[in-house]
Amino acid sequence: DSGVTQTPKHLITATGQRVTLRCSPRSGDLSVYWYQQSLDQGLQFLIQYYNGEERAKGNILERFSAQQFPDLHSELNLSSLELGDSALYFCASSSGSGGGTDTQYFGPGTRLTVL
Amino acid sequence: LAKTTQPISMDSYEGQEVNITCSHNNIATNDYITWYQQFPSQGPRFIIQGYKTKVTNEVASLFIPADRKSSTLSLPRVSLSDTAVYYCLVGFMDSNYQLIWGAGTKLIIKP
Repeated sequence: DSGVTQTPKHLITATGQRVTLRCSPRSGDLSVYWYQQSLDQGLQFLIQYYNGEERAKGNILERFSAQQFPDLHSELNLSSLELGDSALYFCASSSGSGGGTDTQYFGPGTRLTVL
Repeated sequence: LAKTTQPISMDSYEGQEVNITCSHNNIATNDYITWYQQFPSQGPRFIIQGYKTKVTNEVASLFIPADRKSSTLSLPRVSLSDTAVYYCLVGFMDSNYQLIWGAGTKLIIKP
C-alpha cells in the first residue's frame, strides 16, 4: 500500500458526460501528479500540482482540468467525454516539488470506461 | 529533443540475470535516473534510483556509465513474479526542465 488513495476505483459513463476523479496524497506529500494510461500503453503525464499551485503540464487536453485543494487532495475533471478517454487514470504523490530525485508513489488508479 | 529509449519487450527464464537498458542522451546535469516496476492494473512502484556509477538495493542494481547517457537496470536471479513492465524516468533540460518517462519494457519470465 503506497498510502495514496484514489476514488472511485471504477467509473462507467457515456460520451459527452463529465466526471471527477479524486486523489488523496500520502501524508506529508506536497506534490500530486496525474497520469493517463490507455490499454497496453505507457504512462502519459497530464499535470502536476505542488502545494496548491500548478507545477508542470504534460499532454493534458483542454477538456481536462485539475486542481489541488488546501488540504492537498486533488481532483481531475474530465468533460465532454469521448470513447478514446477510456483509460486507467493514476494519481501519484511525492514529498518535494518534483524533479528526478523526487520518488513518486502511485495510487491504485481509477478505471474509466466511456460507452 | 528530450527522449528516453528502452526495448519494447524482453524474455528470460527463472534464475537468470536480466539487464534492461535505457538511453537518455540529453539528461539534465544534476538529475537522477529512476526505475519503476508496474504490474497489470496497478500503479507503478519505485525500484531504484541513482546518479552515477553503481547503486544496489535488495531487489536490483543500477549501472550508470560516466557519460550518463544510458543506464542499465539489473535484476539478479529473476522469478516468475518479476514479470512486469519496467520504466525509466529521467529529467531533461531543453528550453525548460522536463521529466520524461520511457515507453516501458515488458519483461516476461518463463519457467
